[in-house]
Formats: sequence, structure tokens, C-alpha cells
Amino acid sequence: KNEVEQSPQNLTAQEGEFITINCSYSVGISALHWLQQHPGGGIVSLFMLSSGKKKHGRLIATINIQEKHSSLHITASHPRDSAVYICAVERGGSNYKLTFGKGTLLTVNP
Amino acid sequence: KAGVTQTPRYLIKTRGQQVTLSCSPISGHRSVSWYQQTPGQGLQFLFEYFSETQRNKGNFPGRFSGRQFSNSRSEMNVSTLELGDSALYLCASSRYRQGGGNTEAFFGQGTRLTVV
Repeated sequence: KNEVEQSPQNLTAQEGEFITINCSYSVGISALHWLQQHPGGGIVSLFMLSSGKKKHGRLIATINIQEKHSSLHITASHPRDSAVYICAVERGGSNYKLTFGKGTLLTVNP
Repeated sequence: KAGVTQTPRYLIKTRGQQVTLSCSPISGHRSVSWYQQTPGQGLQFLFEYFSETQRNKGNFPGRFSGRQFSNSRSEMNVSTLELGDSALYLCASSRYRQGGGNTEAFFGQGTRLTVV
């Protein structure tokens, strides 16, 4: 079993819909990251969370440390949101080592 | 502020050869980490460097190595290339956070390595 599980693997939505991507992990962590990867490879860091909730524009990320679960929400989705969204966890301590989920391929149709 | 720069962007090598990839972090970032991305395994951590020292290493064979220079630029080297080493290699840089750990990671565009 992977240490980081994402669901769903694939998600197709219509423009304007509310999107939720889930991430569950099985290890103790110091932080959780949500990343976005567009075709071509470039990865953008969306959020880094250790507790609570963060919001940036139409994106909201939440984390529940006790339940070892995080969600990424996209409000009023747009075709430009189409990308792979990757959850990654950082283990405790000052060293930096990310363990990644397999990613969620989001397609938003106009 | 310039982002993380990886060179080259694309590379084709033959089995048995070796390859060196370069990563220039964002100015002021002292942590550089490397990742391999393949369709089958997804993203996997290779190693992380901070102030010229390797602090963490993933589960990769010794053919994969790296180093970091005093200006924080980093290189990774893969020797005796195998077909399975074909992948997108990404590096990320981050700033050290007071109190421990690093700030969010900024990723480069990656180097796509094809081994034939």
C-alpha cells in the first residue's frame, strides 16, 4: 500500500463546477504539499500545509492531521485548471524528502 | 526573480553511457532536491542537498549520485545508463525555514532523459 493515496485518479468536470481532490496518508508528517503539473512537465507548488486551511484565489486546501487526510478544492473550475494535481507529504524533521501520490488528472471541459 | 533552471531540457543517451544534469536554484535557496518521474512509478525522491551536504537519499542504486557547489547549484549524475532510467528528472529548491525544515519548493521545468 502506498504511503500517499489520492482519489480520484481521473476527474472530468464541466466549466464552473466545484472540484474536490482527496489525499490520504499513512505516516507522520511535518507538512503536506499540493502541486500542479501541466503537460510538458513543469510543476508548480500550490500549497504547503501543516494544519488547518489555506486559500489562494479559487483554490482551497485543507488538512486534518488527526485523520491523516487533506483535500484540494477548486471553485468555479475553468478549462485552464486542467492539469495533474499531486499530493506530497514531507516527513518530520529538518530534512526535506517528499513522498508523492500518483496524481489526479483533472480535465475541465468548456 | 529568476526561477529554478535545469539544463539541458532534453537529452538522448545510449545504454551504458553516463549523464550529468544541472540545476540552478533560486537565488538565496540553499536546499536543492532531485526527483525522478516515470509513467509507472510516478514521482520519486532521489536526494536532497543543503549547503553542499547530502542530507537525504531515496531508494535508488549507487549509479545515481549528486553534488552541490558553494553557490548552491547542483548536479546529478547517472552512470552506466539503463533503459529504465528514461524519465523526467526534476529539481526543486527551497529556503531554509527558521525553526527547522524548508519553505515550499519551487520546481524547475525538468530534464527529459531518453536512454536508447
